[in-house]
Formats: sequence, C-alpha cells, structure tokens
Amino acid sequence: DGGITQSPKYLFRKEGQNVTLSCEQNLNHDAMYWYRQDPGQGLRLIYYSQIVNDFQKGDIAEGYSVSREKKESFPLTVTSAQKNPTAFYLCASSMGSDEQFFGPGTRLTVL
Amino acid sequence: GESVGLHLPTLSVQEGDNSIINCAYSNSASDYFIWYKQESGKGPQFIIDIRSNMDKRQGQRVTVLLNKTVKHLSLQIAATQPGDSAVYFCAENPNSGTYKYIFGTGTRLKVLA
Repeated sequence: DGGITQSPKYLFRKEGQNVTLSCEQNLNHDAMYWYRQDPGQGLRLIYYSQIVNDFQKGDIAEGYSVSREKKESFPLTVTSAQKNPTAFYLCASSMGSDEQFFGPGTRLTVL
Repeated sequence: GESVGLHLPTLSVQEGDNSIINCAYSNSASDYFIWYKQESGKGPQFIIDIRSNMDKRQGQRVTVLLNKTVKHLSLQIAATQPGDSAVYFCAENPNSGTYKYIFGTGTRLKVLA
C-alpha cells in the first residue's frame, strides 16, 4: 500500500531533551511538510521541502530542525530551544502543488 | 483522545439531514481549494477539491461550492451519517509559486442519532 507513515504515535520528552519525529512516504512525492496542530488553531507550517537536499522554513521554524537526505524521508527534530513543544505534529507530502496527503500524526508531550 | 478542535465552532446535525460547512478564504489569487476531514487523534483525510475555474464539484455524497466574488467555499454533505462526525477544514493554494497552503481552523461536525 502506498502511503505516508509517522512514528512514534505518542512521544514524551523531558525538558531540555531533543527528540526526533519520523516521517516516511512511498508515494514518490517530491514535496514534504511538517505542521504543528494546537487546539482551536489551523495547521501551522514548521518546515517544508520541495526537493531532496533542500528545505525552507515555514511560519514557526524556531526551535525545530529538519533534514531531507532521501526523497522518502523527512525527519523533524524538536530541540530544547522550542519552549512549548507539546502539540500534535503532522507530516504531509505532495506531488508539486497538488493536494497534500497527511500521515497519522505524532502526539508530543513534554513532561 | 486528541484535544484538537477543542474550541472550534460546532455544527450539530440530525442523522439523515444535510450538512453545510462554510469557509472564508483569504487570498483572491488562490486557484485551488481542498476540503479535509479529520477524526479525533488522526491525520486529515482528503475529501474533495475544486479549482478556481469551477463553481461547483460533486463527489459521493459531498458537494463543494466556490464563490470567488466573496471568497467563500462551502462543503455540503448529503444524508449525514454518524461516521461523518469529525473536524472539517478547508485549504487554499495561494498560487504563490511555492507549494505552501493556507489552512482554515475548521468546524466540528456532530451528528445526532
């Protein structure tokens, strides 16, 4: 089955720790995205990548980092510099500017 | 469960009735629009899309209407079922030369038995 996967589903982080969220797609999409979702708000773009080995900051990139070494993979690291990281994180992919397909999400909680 | 959508506007509809969910979009240059459905604790799912050269598009039990004059998008769900209960939000492609979309905050649909 073609699709986009995220792991883990739930993640707990202690203050001061960096954590990495995984996102993999086998849809052969060139573009991938990371969003943060908080209650009562629309999706906010953290980072996006339109091509391998290239990525751009979104609207709320501070405290996050990404890499795009392979077309299929776009991991997101939440660093200790992110002051309020508790949220639901969604990864998406698309072929160009066509519709974005979303993964199942990772719920990150800071302890 | 997932607390996404805790403070969203809510539409309550009787099972079997039709539902209409509205979205005001922001950019008059936007040329492509999508409706997504998001169930609690899950990622959004594509429902239907429409391009700016169309006013209406129909799918299975769903219809999207686009009014470019007032920058308004609506999603109509016919014969609403319990499985339709979810948060629905619209997305617009602002035709900015990048792949970035603008997402609405969403509406929670509750289907009453």
